[in-house]
Amino acid sequence: DVQMTQSPSSLSASVGDRVTITCRASQSIRSSLHWYQQKPGAAPKLLIFGASNLETGVPSRFIGSASGTEFTLVISSLQPEDFATYYCQQSDEIPYTFGQGTKVEIK
Amino acid sequence: QVQMVQSGGEVKEPGASVKVSCKTSGYKFIDYGITWVRQAPGQGLEWMGWISTYNGHTFYQDKLQGRLTLTKDTSTTTGYMELRSLRSDDTATYYCARAYGEGHVDSWGQGTLVTVTS
Repeated sequence: DVQMTQSPSSLSASVGDRVTITCRASQSIRSSLHWYQQKPGAAPKLLIFGASNLETGVPSRFIGSASGTEFTLVISSLQPEDFATYYCQQSDEIPYTFGQGTKVEIK
Repeated sequence: QVQMVQSGGEVKEPGASVKVSCKTSGYKFIDYGITWVRQAPGQGLEWMGWISTYNGHTFYQDKLQGRLTLTKDTSTTTGYMELRSLRSDDTATYYCARAYGEGHVDSWGQGTLVTVTS
């Protein structure tokens, strides 16, 4: 199975901060990497698909990028509604594995 | 608008089976697959499997192979997830989601909590 290593597992940040979350794949997954946001008690929400494509309706402060097997989600200016857990997922090879998640908390 | 509405929570004894439904609406059913994902309490997301709503073809996570069956009913635009021989570590919230061919999912059900307890 493709292993997705997400870092950090948690972080504390303030409103307005720039936040970076990284996901590293254990092998090449091309651009088959997607990012989701999950708030407590709710289903996940798609933010970015295909490494860098913003889902319709998602604010432009969410930016996805890729370099080889390393993928990055940047929140350019953290807003109060962005405090949540973020997951990456690869869809290059079955099973479509998720990273372990990054919890973004208020500093 | 796209909706994925799941059946209600279940409490099952170890060894039993559970079948969760996922009623879809607001889009052409056979144009998207359905992915199933579960989340144990306080844990991360686990991809379980995928079904093509076009031809019923399925892919399953290896560790669930033999216990998991995904099906669909095109006439009612509903997907189903059946998990057999339940164990305590199957206790989780189970989600269905509309899946693109590229593998990402965009619309999720509300989740169904399945509790396995004696």
